[in-house]
Amino acid sequence: GAVVSQHPSWVICKSGTSVKIECRSLDFQATTMFWYRQFPKQSLMLMATSNEGSKATYEQGVEKDKFLINHASLTLSTLTVTSAHPEDSSFYICSASWGNYGYTFGSGTRLTVV
Amino acid sequence: QKEVEQNSGPLSVPEGAIASLNCTYSDRVSQSFFWYRQYSGKSPELIMSIYSNGDKEDGRFTAQLNKASQYVSLLIRDSQPSDSATYLCAVNPYESGGYNKLIFGAGTRLAVHP
Repeated sequence: GAVVSQHPSWVICKSGTSVKIECRSLDFQATTMFWYRQFPKQSLMLMATSNEGSKATYEQGVEKDKFLINHASLTLSTLTVTSAHPEDSSFYICSASWGNYGYTFGSGTRLTVV
Repeated sequence: QKEVEQNSGPLSVPEGAIASLNCTYSDRVSQSFFWYRQYSGKSPELIMSIYSNGDKEDGRFTAQLNKASQYVSLLIRDSQPSDSATYLCAVNPYESGGYNKLIFGAGTRLAVHP
């Protein structure tokens, strides 16, 4: 149980274009979803927290206009990287929260901007 | 900024030995603690969670929590080459009105050699 599906698993896009990443909770309703970014040999850095039906809460230093998060239902959250640049190339991982202490991670999306 | 500190390693142990991974955290009122394992290029997978002082055992893994010392550790008995990965310590800091976000340490790289 508590499976989170994340798509796509990898994407290559041209500089200046936008990319959307989807995160779905398959067998539970996610109270909260989190979006992380991980650069090579570094830890996960929380980008934002989203709750269904409300605006996302962004961590300090994360541009909310560049990383658009939509959490339209209890099972789906999307992250759109707008006007992507090579420095946005990273491993993006979503996580869904259930109850007070349950967290399940998606499989991650490797974004390469060329 | 609430912090979670880990030794980056690498921690090298021979096959069959006990691997000991340590983590300290700065937020004294943190409620829950997690150890995740992450293989290169993959998303984290949950190894153990612990909420109360003392030890918690699950198979070859034992998590130890000491809230007074703000210290949590993970012991891996009978280490196997397949245990070679980065181990991430994560803490759920207490925040009034927060959304149960996790704060990750930088991770400790474990290498188990035959």
